Amino acid sequence: GNSVTQMEGPVTLSEEAFLTINCTYTATGYPSLFWYVQYPGEGLQLLLKATKADDKGSNKGFEATYRKETTSFHLEKGSVQVSDSAVYFCALSDQSGGYQKVTFGTGTKLQVIP
Amino acid sequence: EAGVAQSPRYKIIEKRQSVAFWCNPISGHATLYWYQQILGQGPKLLIQFQNNGVVDDSQLPKDRFSAERLKGVDSTLKIQPAKLEDSAVYLCASSWERDSYNEQFFGPGTRLTVL
Repeated sequence: GNSVTQMEGPVTLSEEAFLTINCTYTATGYPSLFWYVQYPGEGLQLLLKATKADDKGSNKGFEATYRKETTSFHLEKGSVQVSDSAVYFCALSDQSGGYQKVTFGTGTKLQVIP
Repeated sequence: EAGVAQSPRYKIIEKRQSVAFWCNPISGHATLYWYQQILGQGPKLLIQFQNNGVVDDSQLPKDRFSAERLKGVDSTLKIQPAKLEDSAVYLCASSWERDSYNEQFFGPGTRLTVL
């Protein structure tokens, strides 16, 4: 079956540091890839997505590129802010039996200190 | 546009009691999901509806959990009887149709504590 592996957290960075959160996946088909973010006390929300190989998703200064050859979708940001402190989830979605099937990673907690 | 609504936000019950959660998805979204998120883990799919039909309930503990989606809109998830290991956040999400590139929209979740 499908699976998503994320780097374990927590990740603690100083403000303006460079961020990378690794995500690799295993899928039998051609999935779409997502990063969701969960801010403290809030529900999950989409951060960015990519639907085919070599696509780059971007939002709020975050980027991730769909790498089929390495089955990866690493999240990056050049300069993090305190407000980026949250839990980040990598997820994949593909069609299975005629419906969308979504698999989430375990999440990576990011803490940004001033 | 209104988001996914869930209630209650918090619930504390004793083991062996029953509990029900309610979800109202975004208007027009055909697909509705219920997830269980245990502290420190990613969301685990319990059940997925396409309109008012179940398309995936393979990870739903059917001896104690049940869910329905009324007229393809609102949904309720019930646990009866609850166990200590059911303590978790229960998330409801919805999406347009069933294509794999569609993002999911999540509600705020219901935090369940079983004592």
